[in-house]
Amino acid sequence: NAGVTQTPKFQVLKTGQSMTLQCAQDMNHEYMSWYRQDPGMGLRLIHYSVGAGITDQGEVPNGYNVSRSTTEDFPLRLLSAAPSQTSVYFCASSYGVAREPQFFGPGTRLTVL
Amino acid sequence: QQPVQSPQAVILREGEDAVINCSSSKALYSVHWYRQKHGEAPVFLMILLKGGEQKGHEKISASFNEKKQQSSLYLTASQLSYSGTYFCGTLSSGGSYIPTFGRGTSLIVHP
Repeated sequence: NAGVTQTPKFQVLKTGQSMTLQCAQDMNHEYMSWYRQDPGMGLRLIHYSVGAGITDQGEVPNGYNVSRSTTEDFPLRLLSAAPSQTSVYFCASSYGVAREPQFFGPGTRLTVL
Repeated sequence: QQPVQSPQAVILREGEDAVINCSSSKALYSVHWYRQKHGEAPVFLMILLKGGEQKGHEKISASFNEKKQQSSLYLTASQLSYSGTYFCGTLSSGGSYIPTFGRGTSLIVHP
């Protein structure tokens, strides 16, 4: 199993550009989530999904959109990038009904200029 | 409100023990612990549900005191590989499905 995969690993955007961070898992987990990690701060939940077709907002959803058309894929879209979105982004999945992230992707380091 | 971890940093020699604490102002349903090495993704260590249970993972164990909304992570006979940042995550009992995370405790193990 590949586990949770994310692409790209690194990305530099200019203010106002849009992009999609890709996330996929091959463990048939229903629960998937996106987090951002900033220096000196804990992980913060952006959006989550409890299954295909179902998504909901987390703690810091503004400026991001998600969709979940399949169990495997959970892309995160930045609509109009801002310097405040410079961060490391982690996708995660969990088995069963657990809401705690258990398996993380390798992360995407995003810089917005 | 995110949980508070203490201490912020721990420096040990191989074989020594350490305790990392995590406390919340909210009634907790669960506490979960992670280790993250620099430049890598977090690794899930364990989850503790309310009920005061204690769990173990190799020489790393944890306890959860739901009355005090506190959890402690115990690292015994530390190894060089234990170095990293440890952080706790919590889910409150109020029905929120949004976990919150502490800022982390940096653990450095020297030979």
